[in-house]
Amino acid sequence: AQSVSQHNHHVILSEAASLELGCNYSYGGTVNLFWYVQYPGQHLQLLLKYFSGDPLVKGIKGFEAEFIKSKFSFNLRKPSVQWSDTAEYFCAVMRMDSSYKLIFGSGTRLLVRP
Amino acid sequence: NAGVMQNPRHLVRRRGQEARLRCSPMKGHSHVYWYRQLPEEGLKFMVYLQKENIIDESGMPKERFSAEFPKEGPSILRIQQVVRGDSAAYFCASSPRQDLNTEAFFGQGTRLTVV
Repeated sequence: AQSVSQHNHHVILSEAASLELGCNYSYGGTVNLFWYVQYPGQHLQLLLKYFSGDPLVKGIKGFEAEFIKSKFSFNLRKPSVQWSDTAEYFCAVMRMDSSYKLIFGSGTRLLVRP
Repeated sequence: NAGVMQNPRHLVRRRGQEARLRCSPMKGHSHVYWYRQLPEEGLKFMVYLQKENIIDESGMPKERFSAEFPKEGPSILRIQQVVRGDSAAYFCASSPRQDLNTEAFFGQGTRLTVV
C-alpha cells in the first residue's frame, strides 16, 4: 500500500538553528507533493507544493523543499528557524490516478526554543 | 472569496447521539474531501465527493458514517451513534478541478468530542 513516511516525529531546535524534515513516499507514479503546517489549535496551511519543473521549490516563511525523484523524497528545509515556527508539519502526496486525494505522513512536531 | 468554511468549530456529543459536520467549499469548487485527524496522528482520507455524487469512499468506516454533497448547500459528514473513538478533528478540503496542477484548500476543521 502506498505510504508517506516522516522520519522525525519530534524535533527540538534552538532559534537560528537549521531545519531539515525528511519525507519519503512509496508510490512510483505521477504525484504532486505538499508540505502543510498546523499551528497549535489551527487548521492546515500550505507551506509549499511541487507539481513539476524545478525540483527545488520555495514556499512561505522562508521554507523550501527539494524533490529527489530517485529517492522518492521531498525534504523540507529552513536555514534559520524562529520560535514562531513551532508547529506540526505534514508531508502529503497527491496521486494523479487516485481521486486526487492526499495521503499524509504522520507529522513532525517541531519545538523551537527561544 | 471566503475560504473553506466548516461548522461548527467544536462539537460535543454524548455516546449514541448523532453528529453532523458541515463544510461549505470555496466558491467555484465542486470537489470536496473529508479527512479525519485522530489525536497524535496525521490526517487520514475519508471520502471524496462531487456535487450529488460520492466518488471515493474508500476511507470511510463501513458503519455509522455517511457523507453527502447536495446540489444546493454544504457537504455534510454524518456520524450516527457516536462512540468515544470518533473523537477527532474532521477537516474538509475543496478543490476547483482535477488535473496535474490541482491543490486542495482546507477548512479550519471541526473538533468532535464524544463524552
